[in-house]
Amino acid sequence: QSALTQPPSVSGSPGQSVTISCTGTSSDVGYYNRVSWYQQPPGTAPKLMIYEVNSRPSGVPDRFSGSKSGNTASLTISGLQAEDEAVYYCASYKGSSPFMVFGGGTKLTVL
Amino acid sequence: EVQLVQSGAEVKKPGESLKISCKGSGYIFSNYWITWVRQVPGKGLEWMGIIYPSDSETRYSPSFQGQVTISVDRSTSTAYLGWSSLKASDTAMYYCARHPRGCTSSSCHLENWGQGTLVTVSS
Repeated sequence: QSALTQPPSVSGSPGQSVTISCTGTSSDVGYYNRVSWYQQPPGTAPKLMIYEVNSRPSGVPDRFSGSKSGNTASLTISGLQAEDEAVYYCASYKGSSPFMVFGGGTKLTVL
Repeated sequence: EVQLVQSGAEVKKPGESLKISCKGSGYIFSNYWITWVRQVPGKGLEWMGIIYPSDSETRYSPSFQGQVTISVDRSTSTAYLGWSSLKASDTAMYYCARHPRGCTSSSCHLENWGQGTLVTVSS
C-alpha cells in the first residue's frame, strides 16, 4: 500500500482537461510544499513534470500545472494530447525516513 | 547534458550477490544526492535510499535498511546498489535518480533518472 493515495485511472478526450489527485497526511503533503509529479509512459523511466507543488522544469509544456490544498495535491493537464497517455506518480518529502514517499500511480487514458 | 547511465539487466539465482551501477556525467557528480527507486513489475515506485557522493553519507528507507547497500566510487562518478543474498522478491526494475538540490524540507524532487536496471531473481 502506497503512502500517498491516487485514483487508479482517469481518462479524457483530446483537448479536454483532467485532474489527478494525490492525498497524503499532515506529515507529508499537508506540511511541506515539496510535492512533485512524474510521468511514466510504458517501458520508460519516470520523467519529472512538476516540482515544489507548482513549478515546471524547463521543457515541460505549460499545459501541466500543479496545486495543493490541505493534505491533497493535484496535477491538472489541459488540452489533452495523445502523447500524454502514461502513468502519473505524485511524491512528497516526508521529514523522516523514508524521506520521499510516492503515490500508487494513476493511469491516464486519452480516449 | 546531465546523464545517468545504468548497468544492464541481470538474471540471478536466490542467495547470489549482485551490485548494479549508475554512472553520472555532465555534472559534478560529488555535489548531488543520488536516490535509488524500486519498481516491482506492474507496480508503483518505492524510495529505497539516498547517498551524497561527496562524503558517502547514506540514508535508507526502513523497508530496505539491512536488505541493500548503497555506495559510490567518486573516482568513476558511479553509484551502486548491492545485495549480499538475493531473494525472489527482489525481482524488480531499479532506477537511480539525481536530486538537483538534495532531499530536505527546502527541496526534494528527482530531476534526472537513469534508464533502469531490471533484476530478475529466479531459481
